Amino acid sequence: EAGVVQSPRYKIIEKKQPVAFWCNPISGHNTLYWYLQNLGQGPELLIRYENEEAVDDSQLPKDRFSAERLKGVDSTLKIQPAELGDSAVYLCASSPQGTDTQYFGPGTRLTVL
Amino acid sequence: EDQVTQSPEALRLQEGESSSLNCSYTVSGLRGLFWYRQDPGKGPEFLFTLYSAGEEKEKERLKATLTKKESFLHITAPKPEDSATYLCAVRANNNDMRFGAGTRLTVKP
Repeated sequence: EAGVVQSPRYKIIEKKQPVAFWCNPISGHNTLYWYLQNLGQGPELLIRYENEEAVDDSQLPKDRFSAERLKGVDSTLKIQPAELGDSAVYLCASSPQGTDTQYFGPGTRLTVL
Repeated sequence: EDQVTQSPEALRLQEGESSSLNCSYTVSGLRGLFWYRQDPGKGPEFLFTLYSAGEEKEKERLKATLTKKESFLHITAPKPEDSATYLCAVRANNNDMRFGAGTRLTVKP
């Protein structure tokens, strides 16, 4: 079974530019998470989806971050405009319905110059 | 506010030298405590879920235990391939999910 797929794996942009990350969860997993992970720290939740609905976006900086999960499968996380402090690894994870076990993708490493 | 504190931050062991990693937590109603392993450049890999005090789970050289205030990840006779960062996370009854900063384990041959 294929795992969680994320792209791109690496992205380097200049500040004030927009950037987007894509996630394809494990087939059949209805819960999808986006996390941010800084070096030497644990992941921090940005947003959680149950199917198409964003059920927890309390930690998403809505002035510059947005996310969507059309059709309840793939998801896109966008930052516009990016700031230097946004440099981090952005992780996507998914869970099957009725479980708390999260399966993570490899992440996208963002560098903002 | 829910908190997760892991100790030590880093641990160096000789191959075969058993030890334990600690995860202390405060949460308003524990729904579950999770252990993950993370290798450099990769996403976290699920190891265990513990739901109630007294519960124990084992997998190869790893054993996770849970009390009302903390969890331990015991590593018995570790091998160099066990070197990784081990992350602890708690999920509250309100679905709030919080990770610790991790323990970076190095096992020398």
